[in-house]
Amino acid sequence: QQQVKQSPQSLIVQKGGISIINCAYENTAFDYFPWYQQFPGKGPALLIAIRPDVSEKKEGRFTISFNKSAKQFSLHIMDSQPGDSATYFCAALESSNYQLIWGAGTKLIIKP
Amino acid sequence: SQTIHQWPATLVQPVGSPLSLECTVEGTSNPNLYWYRQAAGRGLQLLFYSVGIGQISSEVPQNLSASRPQDRQFILSSKKLLLSDSGFYLCAWSPMGLSTDTQYFGPGTRLTVL
Repeated sequence: QQQVKQSPQSLIVQKGGISIINCAYENTAFDYFPWYQQFPGKGPALLIAIRPDVSEKKEGRFTISFNKSAKQFSLHIMDSQPGDSATYFCAALESSNYQLIWGAGTKLIIKP
Repeated sequence: SQTIHQWPATLVQPVGSPLSLECTVEGTSNPNLYWYRQAAGRGLQLLFYSVGIGQISSEVPQNLSASRPQDRQFILSSKKLLLSDSGFYLCAWSPMGLSTDTQYFGPGTRLTVL
């Protein structure tokens, strides 16, 4: 019940296309859902996050869509660029707990 | 502003040797601190977290240990390294309190055990 399932494991998108990464969870007590971006040899960095009181959050080309009833959330990258090539991790947190539960990651490659 | 430092950046150690990785945070007080390990091409595995000096919680039984001798210092240690200890070790911090939300990661230490 503490798992966060992320898909796909890898994704190749043409430059200018839309990249979509999906995550699903079981624990309904989760109340914070961040996405992290990690470049090779670097630590992950927070990209965008959402709380379950909203269904969508947009920051520039990055959008999180959240479906509370389906217990799913997804990251959409519009107008994908080669510089977006990285590994993306979704995660979930129950605020009374100190531990982020991480997805397994998606390696995104944007082809020029 | 807050910064997090980790050293060394890379380390090659023989099997059976000891390990000490250090992490320090600047610009904040009483942070929550975390050690993660990331195997090549894999996700993040939480190893330890600490909500205060001397308070360490272990998530995975193993031959690693952690200590927090000062408020903003977190150390990962081993007495005898195993081949399986190879990986990318990441330290992270988050603001103190129950609602920890964002975790901020250091640059990581690449450990190779031969």
